[in-house]
Order: sequence, then C-alpha cells, then structure tokens
Amino acid sequence: QVQLVQSGAEVKKPGASVKVSCKASGYTFTSYGISWVRQAPGQGLEWMGWISAYNGNTNYAQKLQGRVTMTTDTSTSTAYMELRSLRSDDTAVYYCAREGPYYVFFDYWGQGTLVTVSS
Amino acid sequence: EIVLTQSPGTLSLSPGERATLSCRASQSVSSSYLAWYQQKPGQAPRLLIYGASSRATGIPDRFSGSGSGTDFTLTISRLEPEDFAVYYCQQYGSSPRITFGQGTRLEIK
Repeated sequence: QVQLVQSGAEVKKPGASVKVSCKASGYTFTSYGISWVRQAPGQGLEWMGWISAYNGNTNYAQKLQGRVTMTTDTSTSTAYMELRSLRSDDTAVYYCAREGPYYVFFDYWGQGTLVTVSS
Repeated sequence: EIVLTQSPGTLSLSPGERATLSCRASQSVSSSYLAWYQQKPGQAPRLLIYGASSRATGIPDRFSGSGSGTDFTLTISRLEPEDFAVYYCQQYGSSPRITFGQGTRLEIK
C-alpha cells in the first residue's frame, strides 16, 4: 500500500533552517511528483511547492522563493523540503503529498511534521 | 492568481441532514483541476473528490461534487457523525500552481 512517512517534529530558533523528509513506499517513486503543503496552527492549507521525482524539476510558491529547496533521493525514494531563515510565522505542520503524473490533486499524504520556530 | 472562496465559513447541521458546501473561484477553473478534501483534527487531509465530480477510492457515495467554471459544490446527502470536519477545495492553475480555499467547518448542531 502507498505510504508517505515523514520525519519527526522539530524545534528551531529564528534564523535557523529545517529539513523535513518524506519517505515513500508502495509505488514507483519516480512516476509521481511530491508537493509540500503547510498548515499554521488553526489555519488553512498553504501550498509550498512541487518537485518531480522523475527529473527533479521544481515549482515553488512565490512567497517562499529563495528560502525553500525541495529535493529527492531516488535511491531511497525520499523527498526533502528545506526551509531557511525561519521565522515565527513558519511554525506549522508540514505535509508531503503525492501528485500524479497526469493529475494535479493529492491522493496520498504524509502524517505531517510539526515545525516550531521559537526563541 | 486564482482565489478560491469557500462558503459558509461554518455550517451547523445535524446527523441525517444534507450539507451543501460552496467553492467559488475568482476566475474560471477547469473542472479537471478542482478537488475537495476532508480534514479531521490532528489528521492529514483526505482526498474526497477530484475532477470536480469524481469520488476518490473508498469515498462513500453520499459525497458528491458538481459545478463548473467558477462555481463548485460539495454535497453530503445524509450526514454521518464521522462527516463533521473541515472541508477544503483546491485548484490547479499556472501561478501559483496550486491554491486552496480557506475551508468550511462542518459542525454538529
């Protein structure tokens, strides 16, 4: 069965960086893309960006350009999202979600990773 | 940028009632690129509807989606206790690539 398993919760200081992983199983990793979506406490869903696991192409939300990098390691079927220069308003649950080659919705989601930014 | 506006913000209904949730886009959206998700507290979102009206695998037939252009609707025909949650619509566009509505909270009356 398809699974996306994310790394554990993180606590970071303002200005630091965080790297969240998302390990995929149960499907051919390189046939799909991965998007990252975050959710601040009590708020809605915010799309952060997408990476093709096939060729590494990326597309980032404009507001995060320059602070976010998404990568994949096809040898381990793992996607990564690194966010730099963290601010308090980056405190959120970060989700990875699978996106198909021919569709642009998210059929499987990771369990979420809470990133807390606090001095 | 296409903005999705969901209404109402909160919907209070009783089990057994019919729920109608709206998602309005600021510009026309291809039906192929409109999806709905359900999210319960402490859980990741779950795909309900894609392509505006196709149910995802395992989704009960009391959930249905409709609409086109700028107006889309999620209908739950007879509410079950487990249906009380937050619902989001999502669209695919050019820039940004993906946007979500702000959500509708469906609560027990």
